[in-house]
Amino acid sequence: DQQVKQNSPSLSVQEGRISILNCDYTNSMFDYFLWYKKYPAEGPTFLISISSIKDKNEDGRFTVFLNKSAKHLSLHIVPSQPGDSAVYFCAATYSGNTGKLIFGQGTTLQVKP
Amino acid sequence: DAGITQSPRHKVTETGTPVTLRCHQTENHRYMYWYRQDPGHGLRLIHYSYGVKDTDKGEVSDGYSVSRSKTEDFLLTLESATSSQTSVYFCAIRDDRDQETQYFGPGTRLLVL
Repeated sequence: DQQVKQNSPSLSVQEGRISILNCDYTNSMFDYFLWYKKYPAEGPTFLISISSIKDKNEDGRFTVFLNKSAKHLSLHIVPSQPGDSAVYFCAATYSGNTGKLIFGQGTTLQVKP
Repeated sequence: DAGITQSPRHKVTETGTPVTLRCHQTENHRYMYWYRQDPGHGLRLIHYSYGVKDTDKGEVSDGYSVSRSKTEDFLLTLESATSSQTSVYFCAIRDDRDQETQYFGPGTRLLVL
């Protein structure tokens, strides 16, 4: 039972354009969501997060949107840069879950110069 | 940089042999986690620790054990390695100041022949 799903294994965009990565979840108890970025042969690095009391959170070129009724979140990268090419994982957790994160399968983003 | 190191970074072993992976942190965070990453599955929690000698199972704990005798070290042991345990293993800590965010080590690539 995949509680967090990233249905697009890969995404290719042109440099300067917007990248939109999507994530769906099924567990209504999730109240905190995170995005991680991973380069080959490195550990995942924390990118941005959002609490369920918000519907949007911005940090520079990165914005995460949360639609609780649809159980859907998305990560927008504007403008996309070649250095953004990586695997992106969304993750979810809930209060009292001792911090255990449930991850999606990941989406590989390629930004073409 | 959350001050997390993992050793070894790469290991090749044979089926049936015991293997121990080490995670070391420099900031004395209370919570530590072991995940494995496999294609199509994202990252899945193996075991976690919420203090010295306090550990609990995650989603994919069968065939693994852990120990934490010091705050800074969290060991993952494969008692008798199998080919299905070929994977990339990541250790993570939860920031005590921001208890929803985890920071990951660089990973250990394990190949079981």
